[in-house]
Amino acid sequence: QSVLTQPPSVSGAPGQRVTISCTGSSSNVGTDHDLNWYQQLPGTAPKLLIYGNTNRPSGVPDRFSGSKSGTSASLAITGLQAEDEADYYCQSYDTSLSAYVFGAGTKVTVL
Amino acid sequence: EVQLVESGGGLVQPGGSLRVSCAVSGFTFSSYWMSWVRQAPGKGLEWVGNIKQDGSEKNYVDSVKGRFTISRDNAKNSLHLQMNSLRAEDTAVYYCARGRGGFGPWGQGTLVTVSS
Repeated sequence: QSVLTQPPSVSGAPGQRVTISCTGSSSNVGTDHDLNWYQQLPGTAPKLLIYGNTNRPSGVPDRFSGSKSGTSASLAITGLQAEDEADYYCQSYDTSLSAYVFGAGTKVTVL
Repeated sequence: EVQLVESGGGLVQPGGSLRVSCAVSGFTFSSYWMSWVRQAPGKGLEWVGNIKQDGSEKNYVDSVKGRFTISRDNAKNSLHLQMNSLRAEDTAVYYCARGRGGFGPWGQGTLVTVSS
């Protein structure tokens, strides 16, 4: 059971906008610790997609954006493309567990 | 080009030991915290632990405390994970990653299978 809750799956047609939620608590998402997002394409290692709540590493398209408010965060993908089909994970630090924690992951399907 | 390459995975019996390693190139290894993250087959990501730049601080998830040890050799740009008293539930792909939150980049992973 993950301490960060994500929907198991989301889907959208090419060109549409989809959002993935990540809900936590006052001991993780609700703290000042960074909320980060990762993309894992099928059969590959995860890749850092969003760091520090809203920042994109070099090379990540601006179609991906992150936000955080209170104990929740979201990843938005605009202009959905076939290549965006992947698993997406949110991650934070939990002060009660003294551990970095991940959500269970959300599978994005492009219809 | 930044590269992280894990090695050392394999099949080990319950209660056994294994050491996996991560060879790093393309960045100043000694300037970064490093982490291990694992992924059980068909499951999500789990942080295993991390190590400070000079090795003076190490942190672990509760489920591996006392059994796993992270170390590094800054002269050889290498990171290690010594795993003892292995259990079936430790079966996973083990990834090394730069950083201690905002993990990136990642290696390709090495599969550790604990089974009799």
